[in-house]
Amino acid sequence: GAGVSQTPSNKVTEKGKYVELRCDPISGHTALYWYRQSLGQGPEFLIYFQGTGAADDSGLPNDRFFAVRPEGSVSTLKIQRTERGDSAVYLCASSSAGGPYETQYFGPGTRLLVL
Amino acid sequence: GIQVEQSPPDLILQEGANSTLRCNFSDSVNNLQWFHQNPWGQLINLFYIPSGTKQNGRLSATTVATERYSLLYISSSQTTDSGVYFCAAAYNTDKLIFGTGTRLQVFP
Repeated sequence: GAGVSQTPSNKVTEKGKYVELRCDPISGHTALYWYRQSLGQGPEFLIYFQGTGAADDSGLPNDRFFAVRPEGSVSTLKIQRTERGDSAVYLCASSSAGGPYETQYFGPGTRLLVL
Repeated sequence: GIQVEQSPPDLILQEGANSTLRCNFSDSVNNLQWFHQNPWGQLINLFYIPSGTKQNGRLSATTVATERYSLLYISSSQTTDSGVYFCAAAYNTDKLIFGTGTRLQVFP
């Protein structure tokens, strides 16, 4: 596809459940990023992958959050024991090679609602 | 880390008006991007502009890195320009730090 895609577009779950959010980056992009956007705020960094490895996971809020990118393309963000405070839009981005001199391109996001 | 502040927080314009949005950052940057988040939530890249001036149609941006600010100019605004404009910055890292945005409403 031409851009970053994310599935599902919306996810409603109950407190305590496990969820997986998927990101498909722009073809050929080696760097992949996850951000989280709460209502009325700018996106906040969660984790960055260069290839298959997490180069920077300093933004993950706690050990309930985990992300993988096993083949260096698609990534999955996993949230265990969801809490109402996890409700937000989860955004994925990719860039060609990573690094501060690269433009990051964002997907449409997954809107997560924890009841 | 870098702090990013945007002003004004809200802007209401009539179609055809011009506007200037400001982004101040607290430290040196080698990545600065402007985004438009449309009413459906999609973040659309406008400019990658850690320094200098760029123009794209009715939009232009200028970053003065030595004075730690960037400006986004919108000329002859249209209703489709409505949404939230974000500035995001980074220095020697991939971790973009976003401002809180400027919410723009353009009325016909």
